[in-house]
Amino acid sequence: EPEVTQTPSHQVTQMGQEVILRCVPISNHLYFYWYRQILGQKVEFLVSFYNNEISEKSEIFDDQFSVERPDGSNFTLKIRSTKLEDSAMYFCASRTGSGANVLTFGAGSRLTVL
Amino acid sequence: GQNIDQPTEMTATEGAIVQINCTYQTSGFNGLFWYQQHAGEAPTFLSYNVLDGLEEKGRFSSFLSRSKGYSYLLLKELQMKDSASYLCAAYSGGYNKLIFGAGTRLAVHP
Repeated sequence: EPEVTQTPSHQVTQMGQEVILRCVPISNHLYFYWYRQILGQKVEFLVSFYNNEISEKSEIFDDQFSVERPDGSNFTLKIRSTKLEDSAMYFCASRTGSGANVLTFGAGSRLTVL
Repeated sequence: GQNIDQPTEMTATEGAIVQINCTYQTSGFNGLFWYQQHAGEAPTFLSYNVLDGLEEKGRFSSFLSRSKGYSYLLLKELQMKDSASYLCAAYSGGYNKLIFGAGTRLAVHP
């Protein structure tokens, strides 16, 4: 079964450092998303991306965040200057754009900011 | 506004039936989704309702009432592996944003 692939599975970084989280969505999917889940809390929407541009972003997705689809397969989330409160699990998700519009999630990247 | 509410925790016995309720308020309703999430793992899709009524999928069923802004997930013949969080979710304003409730943590006991 096709799956969304995320790397790294776990990253530890120092506060103030830049982090790039990578995702390879399912190949025929057209819509891409990043979500965040702080430990013990709900899954929160960050950003959606379609046709090489951001469709919608949440209040969490401020200037320190950016997304990119550099080569037609990878979809990346960059955090420019990490803060302690950025420690969370980051999930990438994608969907086809037809049918029930079910989001398929990757296994997640756990980010720990020290 | 947009809001999705579900109970925080539930417990049930192996082999029993449990119903997890969800109420929602979203703009531009485009379907109600249920996901399962085991601790430390990604949400996985369980079921989807866009029309009123019951959708059955093996041991899992989901019900929707659009007029009441209400859905439930019914789990039958509970197994220990069903211990997980169950997330209610709905699109808000088109398909650009799927919003999740806080999740219901279900503990299945022998």
